[in-house]
Formats: sequence, C-alpha cells, structure tokens
Amino acid sequence: QIQLVQSGPELKKPGESLKISCKASGYTFTDYAMQWVKQAPGKGLQYMGWINTQTGKPTYADDFKERFVFSLETSASTAYLQINNLKNEDTATYFCARRRGAGDYWGQGVMVTVSS
Amino acid sequence: DVVLTQTPPTLSATIGQSVSISCRSSQSLLHSNGNTYLNWLLQRPGQPPQLLIYLVSRLESGVPNRFSGSGSGTDFTLKISGVEAEDLGVYYCVQSTHAPNTFGAGTKLELK
Repeated sequence: QIQLVQSGPELKKPGESLKISCKASGYTFTDYAMQWVKQAPGKGLQYMGWINTQTGKPTYADDFKERFVFSLETSASTAYLQINNLKNEDTATYFCARRRGAGDYWGQGVMVTVSS
Repeated sequence: DVVLTQTPPTLSATIGQSVSISCRSSQSLLHSNGNTYLNWLLQRPGQPPQLLIYLVSRLESGVPNRFSGSGSGTDFTLKISGVEAEDLGVYYCVQSTHAPNTFGAGTKLELK
C-alpha cells in the first residue's frame, strides 16, 4: 500500500537548522511530485511548494523562498525539507503529500518546536 | 494569490443531518485546459488531511458517497448527506489551478 512516512518530532533553538525526511513506498517515487504543507499550532494549512521528483527542481511559495530547501534522495524514494536559521514562527507541523491534485497521500506530519 | 473564502467557519450538526460548506474563490478556477482544480480535504483531530473530492465533484477512491461536491467558476459547495460521527473534523477547500496552491481557512464540523 502507498505510504509516506516522515521523520520524528524536533526540538530546536532559534538559529539552528533541521532536515525532515519523507520516505515514500508502494509506488514509483518519480511518477509524482512531492509537496510540502505547514500547519502552525491551532491554525489552518499553508502551502509551502513542491519538488519535481524527476528533475529535482523545487518550486517555493513566496513565504518560503528564503531559509527553506526541498531536496531528494531518489534512490531511497525520500524527499527532504530543510529549514535553516530557525525562527520561533517556524514552530509547526510539516506535512509532505504526494502531488496528485491537492495531495492524495499524506505523511503523518512532523512537529517542529523552536524555542530558546 | 487566489483567496478562498469558506463559510461557515463552524458547523454544528446532529448525526444523520445533511450539511453544506461553501467555498468562494477570488478568481475563476477554470484552467485554460478546461479543468477546474478545486479539491476538498478533511482533517480529523490529530490526523493529516485526507483528500475527499478533486476536480470539483470527483470522489476520491474509498470516500463514502454521502460526500458530494459541486460548483463552477468561483463558487463551490461540499455537501454531506447524512453526517456520521467519523465525519467530524475540519474541512478545507484547496485550489491548484493557479500557482501557488491556496487553502481556505477551514470549516470545523462538530456535533450539536
């Protein structure tokens, strides 16, 4: 069955960096792009952008063009989200989702807490 | 960016009641290829979102047929014909016609 399994929760200090993984299984990884979505505590969903899993080309929404990096390890069917120079407002749950429509399969989400 | 306005923000329903959620877009979601990329998601408490409907009215595989979607252009509706307990959560409309994708603010469905 199709699954997206994300890495575990993170607790970081402002200014640090982190890298979240999203491992896909049950389908051919390069057949679908991968998108990333942010959900701040108690808030709605915010689209961060997507990465073409065939070419590795990322596309970022305007709010995520600085400090955020999408990448791939195609041989491992894994997508990554890196956040540099973490800020308190990065505290959120981050989801990966297979980019068919609005996302037909989603990871379980990674809770990231940024606190000094 | 396209703004999606969902109403109501909160919906109280009894089991078996039929309810509707509206999603209005700041611009037409009709793509130049003739498709309208308006989707509906459900996020149950503590869970990731789940795709319910895509292309306005197409039911995702495995989704019960008490869910239906309709609309065109800028006005869209999700209807649940006979709410069940498992339907409780937050519903989001999301468009992928115009980059970047944008989400509505959500409609919380709760038990009356």
